[in-house]
Parts: sequence; C-alpha cells; structure tokens
Amino acid sequence: EVQLVESGGGLVKPGGSLRLSCGASGFIFSSYSMNWVRQPPGKGLEWVASISSTGSHIQYADSLEGRFTISRDNAENALYLEVNNLRDEDTALYYCARDLGGLRGWFDPWGQGTQVIVSS
Amino acid sequence: IVMTQSPATVSVSPGESATLFCRATESVRSKLAWYQQKPGQPPRLLIYDATSRATDIPARFSGSGSGTEFTLTISGLQSDDFAVYYCHQYNEWPRAFGQGTKVEIK
Repeated sequence: EVQLVESGGGLVKPGGSLRLSCGASGFIFSSYSMNWVRQPPGKGLEWVASISSTGSHIQYADSLEGRFTISRDNAENALYLEVNNLRDEDTALYYCARDLGGLRGWFDPWGQGTQVIVSS
Repeated sequence: IVMTQSPATVSVSPGESATLFCRATESVRSKLAWYQQKPGQPPRLLIYDATSRATDIPARFSGSGSGTEFTLTISGLQSDDFAVYYCHQYNEWPRAFGQGTKVEIK
C-alpha cells in the first residue's frame, strides 16, 4: 500500500523554525517527484514546493520569500521541508503528496498532514 | 495562473446531479485535476488530465474541458459525495488550486 506519513509539526513562536518530514512506503520513492501543500485552518489548498525525483529540480511558491527549503533523502525514503522565520500566516496543516507526472503531474496520494501553529 | 471555482457552494438533493466549474486565467491545456476533501481528511484524487478518472473512482464522477474552462459533474449524488472539491492546474509554475466548491445536502 502506498503511504505517506508526515511529522515534525508543532507550536512555534513567530520567527521560529521547524523541520517537517514525510516518510514514504509502498512505492519506489526515488522514482517520483514530491510536493508540499498546505491548508490554513478553514481555508483552501496552497501549493508550497516541489522537488524532482533526484532533487535536481526544485520549485517554490513565490509567497514563501525564500524562507522554506524542500529536500529529500532517497536512501531513507524521506521528504523534508525546512521552514524558517515563521509567521502567523504560516499556520496550516502541511501535506506531502506524490507527483504522478514527473514534476508535471497531479498529486496522488496525500499524507494525513502535520499541523504547524505559529503563535506567541 | 489563477484558478477560480464556481459556485462557492452548491446545494443538491441525494440522487440529483451537480456540476462544478473551474476557470483558469490562461490555458492549462488538459493539465487539470480534481480532488475531493472531506472534513478531517486529506484531499483524494478524483480526475486527472481533465477527463481521466483515478483508480477506484466511481463512474458517476466525470470531468470535461480543456484550455481555460473545466467542469466536474457528479451524477446521482450519494451521501458520501457531500464534500469540498478542488481543481488544480499542473501545466505551469507556480502550481495553483481553486478555492474550492462545497457540495452540501439540500
């Protein structure tokens, strides 16, 4: 069974940092591009970042202003998102999702998400 | 590219059909997906490449359109279908989602 499990979220003060992780199983992780998508409480989906299967190609949403870094470890079947200088508006449920089109595809499946709360 | 979904909410009786719309500010060709999200759950892929149903998705879900105008039709709505639906373009960077359409019970 294809499975994605996020972790690493939590309560952090404005200006703080977190490292989110996404563990993958049930498929050949190194063959797929991966993505992070976030969802603020009660709101819609916002694409955050994407990374190619080898990590050589990376894209970010402009709104992040360079504060986030996506990476992956294919030997560990893991995807990461380092989030720095956090702001109130970064409060959201952060999902990882597999890309089925080689960095040009739809997202399936999605993990259950890890919650990030930014508050003083 | 900005994705705009309409209506924001649609009220439908079980057994009836619902048509959801998604419009892009510029052409995304057929690089469009639809997802269903229920409370407390992650999004689930329904349709990809505008018209192709994902694995195990019932035939009552159908997608159409290309370029800038897309529709998701749900025929014979069942109780399990009441949820929020999002469109997603993957033709250009940055990737973009619509704001969602909530399908509620009438």
